[in-house]
Amino acid sequence: GAGVSQSPSNKVTEKGKDVELRCDPISGHTALYWYRQSLGQGLEFLIYFQGNSAPDKSGLPSDRFSAERTGGSVSTLTIQRTQQEDSAVYLCASSLLAAGPPPNEQFFGPGTRLTVL
Amino acid sequence: KQEVTQIPAALSVPEGENLVLNCSFTDSAIYNLQWFRQDPGKGLTSLLLIQSSQREQTSGRLNASLDKSSGRSTLYIAASQPGDSATYLCAARGGSYIPTFGRGTSLIVHP
Repeated sequence: GAGVSQSPSNKVTEKGKDVELRCDPISGHTALYWYRQSLGQGLEFLIYFQGNSAPDKSGLPSDRFSAERTGGSVSTLTIQRTQQEDSAVYLCASSLLAAGPPPNEQFFGPGTRLTVL
Repeated sequence: KQEVTQIPAALSVPEGENLVLNCSFTDSAIYNLQWFRQDPGKGLTSLLLIQSSQREQTSGRLNASLDKSSGRSTLYIAASQPGDSATYLCAARGGSYIPTFGRGTSLIVHP
């Protein structure tokens, strides 16, 4: 597709259930990022994938959060045993290259709004 | 650790005014600085990207400048319009490859 897509756009779940959020980056982009944006808060970095390298998981808030990226393209963020404080908008972004002189502009998806009841 | 601050946090202006939004960062060793726009309930839309070797970038009524030595970037919006109302975020990307975002400036342009 032309841009980064995310699904679902909205997810309402009950406390304790597991959820999976999907991100389709722009074709050919090797870097993929997950962020969380809580109401009135800034963007919180969660995890970063770069090509076939081991992901940077330093932003994951707990071991209930995990993510994978299959075939260097689609990524899935999984939250196990959801808690009410997990309610937020989860944003995915991709860029052609992570760093260095070449253009490495980040492009964001529309986000998934997660509500944990 | 990089810290990014945006001032002001909120701004309300009448249509037609020229605006300056400020972004400051503590670590000048950055690869680039990117400005985004976020409409309510939406994702982020990239506005301008300034590489570390550049001083400014322009797109239409938007102009972004970068002064690495002072740790500052400004986004200038000329002749503001109600459609410019949104939250504007800046992000500085350094050697860690993970951008650091500011909290944003919430802009309202009223007719």
